[in-house]
Amino acid sequence: GAVVSQHPSWVICKSGTSVKIECRSLDFQATTMFWYRQFPKQSLMLMATSNEGSKATYEQGVEKDKFLINHASLTLSTLTVTSAHPEDSSFYICSAQRGRLSNQPQHFGDGTRLSIL
Amino acid sequence: KQEVTQIPAALSVPEGENLVLNCSFTDSAIYNLQWFRQDPGKGLTSLLLIQSSQREQTSGRLNASLDKSSGRSTLYIAASQPGDSATYLCAVKETSGSRLTFGEGTQLTVNP
Repeated sequence: GAVVSQHPSWVICKSGTSVKIECRSLDFQATTMFWYRQFPKQSLMLMATSNEGSKATYEQGVEKDKFLINHASLTLSTLTVTSAHPEDSSFYICSAQRGRLSNQPQHFGDGTRLSIL
Repeated sequence: KQEVTQIPAALSVPEGENLVLNCSFTDSAIYNLQWFRQDPGKGLTSLLLIQSSQREQTSGRLNASLDKSSGRSTLYIAASQPGDSATYLCAVKETSGSRLTFGEGTQLTVNP
């Protein structure tokens, strides 16, 4: 159980394009979802936390107008990178958690490799 | 602000060797600590989770310890195999919420 599916797994697109990444919890209801970003040979950096039905909480330095997060249902959160530029190229990973309490583990998707030309 | 450091950054060992990966964190007010495995271009697989009240957890050839007061954790891998080659990440969950803070990982290569 606790499977998280992320789609697409790889995106290559031109500069200025907006890209949407989906994160789905397949067999549980995810009250809270997290979006991370990972540069090559670096660790995961939390971008934002989203709770179902409310606005996402962004980490310091992350532009909320650049990275739009929607968590409209208990099984789906989306991250849209608006007007993407080469510096936005990275590996984006989501995780999903039952409930909002600290005692719940996060279950991770397989990530999305975003390459902006 | 919580900071997590992992040493070494990379490790190459011959097959069969026992090895230890280290993780340290600056703020001991953690809820739990988790060790993950990440294969190239892939997401994270959870290996072991240690609650703040626990000292260690074991799963198969893996053993993770936690010394919260000193801000340290170790992941011990026994009888390493080439299939263990991956990046190992440790992450701490803070008591104030659900956020995980990750270290930069140890890239392990086990040579046949």
